[in-house]
Amino acid sequence: SQQGEEDPQALSIQEGENATMNCSYKTSINNLQWYRQNSGRGLVHLILIRSNEREKHSGRLRVTLDTSKKSSSLLITASRAADTASYFCATDGGGYSGAGSYQLTFGKGTKLSVIP
Amino acid sequence: GAGVSQSPRYKVAKRGQDVALRCDPISGHVSLFWYQQALGQGPEFLTYFQNEAQLDKSGLPSDRFFAERPEGSVSTLKIQRTQQEDSAVYLCASSPRNRGGLETQYFGPGTRLLVL
Repeated sequence: SQQGEEDPQALSIQEGENATMNCSYKTSINNLQWYRQNSGRGLVHLILIRSNEREKHSGRLRVTLDTSKKSSSLLITASRAADTASYFCATDGGGYSGAGSYQLTFGKGTKLSVIP
Repeated sequence: GAGVSQSPRYKVAKRGQDVALRCDPISGHVSLFWYQQALGQGPEFLTYFQNEAQLDKSGLPSDRFFAERPEGSVSTLKIQRTQQEDSAVYLCASSPRNRGGLETQYFGPGTRLLVL
């Protein structure tokens, strides 16, 4: 079963605009990760944010995490056509490295289209 | 360096046929994961290996699915008597240590299986 739910399911923007995707999850976590998937390169890790972090930046990416609301957001600034892909959030199983924390649970993804 | 590789990239099988999917993880990676991704969905966990030990196979959908990693490197996912509902992309991922969902997982390009 899938823990995360990304919102929106699909997003279409013009090149240069910012794109924001949201993720909600159900159980406690140690960290949350965002991955990108396109047909050319498979599933690629973007960024990992730990449960004790609220915000993290990597290049044009900004991720926030609100553990009280069990939600995260991914912001891509100054989007490019090459950012066209599906974006997934993934959570671990919580607990302290115990059984179940090693598997990632993915949401259904947000399909982002960046129009040149 | 070389990433995770999977073979074959595409497989068409007749219903009832057995298939074997191969994964070559990044050299030296301790952890190896198999995920199943149905069309329009996020990946779903199948099984996890730490070196040659299969520590969790709770995600395998039926006893027709079998995975092994006999020498702690290459892994094979075998599906016996394939059914149409087995049609999906099968993703393999590896990570450097035994921290599972607490660390980045590196994904292969996947094997797209179509059962007719």
